[in-house]
Amino acid sequence: ILNVEQSPQSLHVQEGDSTNFTCSFPSSNFYALHWYRWETAKSPEALFVMTLNGDEKKKGRISATLNTKEGYSYLYIKGSQPEDSATYLCAFDYGQNFVFGPGTRLSVLP
Amino acid sequence: ETGVTQTPRHLVMGMTNKKSLKCEQHLGHNAMYWYKQSAKKPLELMFVYSLEERVENNSVPSRFSPECPNSSHLFLHLHTLQPEDSALYLCASSQVRDGLYEQYFGPGTRLTVT
Repeated sequence: ILNVEQSPQSLHVQEGDSTNFTCSFPSSNFYALHWYRWETAKSPEALFVMTLNGDEKKKGRISATLNTKEGYSYLYIKGSQPEDSATYLCAFDYGQNFVFGPGTRLSVLP
Repeated sequence: ETGVTQTPRHLVMGMTNKKSLKCEQHLGHNAMYWYKQSAKKPLELMFVYSLEERVENNSVPSRFSPECPNSSHLFLHLHTLQPEDSALYLCASSQVRDGLYEQYFGPGTRLTVT
């Protein structure tokens, strides 16, 4: 059973702060890494799909990197806003078999 | 709206009941999934159907029985559940794009077994 770790477990930041969190994995034997944002009472929403070529992805104030050699992916949020408050999940794609991490719960205080 | 709907949104059932969860996707995808999220645990993949055939089982107890009659509908039939089966059950669908699977999730069914 693969163990996907995410840190920190939870995070509180002030509006306007930039922040980042980590998804770490034991091996790079997967097709892709996915990042999701999951707001309370809503469906998990796909943010990025990271392939093994290590490219950086960006969507507005949010960006993500993947380092397969060191075994981690970072998600960055620049200038956090209250609407960024959510749980951020990473998941490893083994070809229709997805293994999820426990998530990082972000709270952005106004 | 993600294009994936689930009913009911909330369900309370006794251990001797039989109930079914329904998922429908309006995205033209060819794969559908059931996930379980228990309190303080990561999302766990239960079942995968690709082109209406089951691909992954992941050693789920037989009291959970999936059914995929066509590519747009997915059911999870429940019988003689245990209180520890109380959880959020999420459905997802996906389509391959550039060799990668992008999943779209429904809002989930919150199940309580009494």
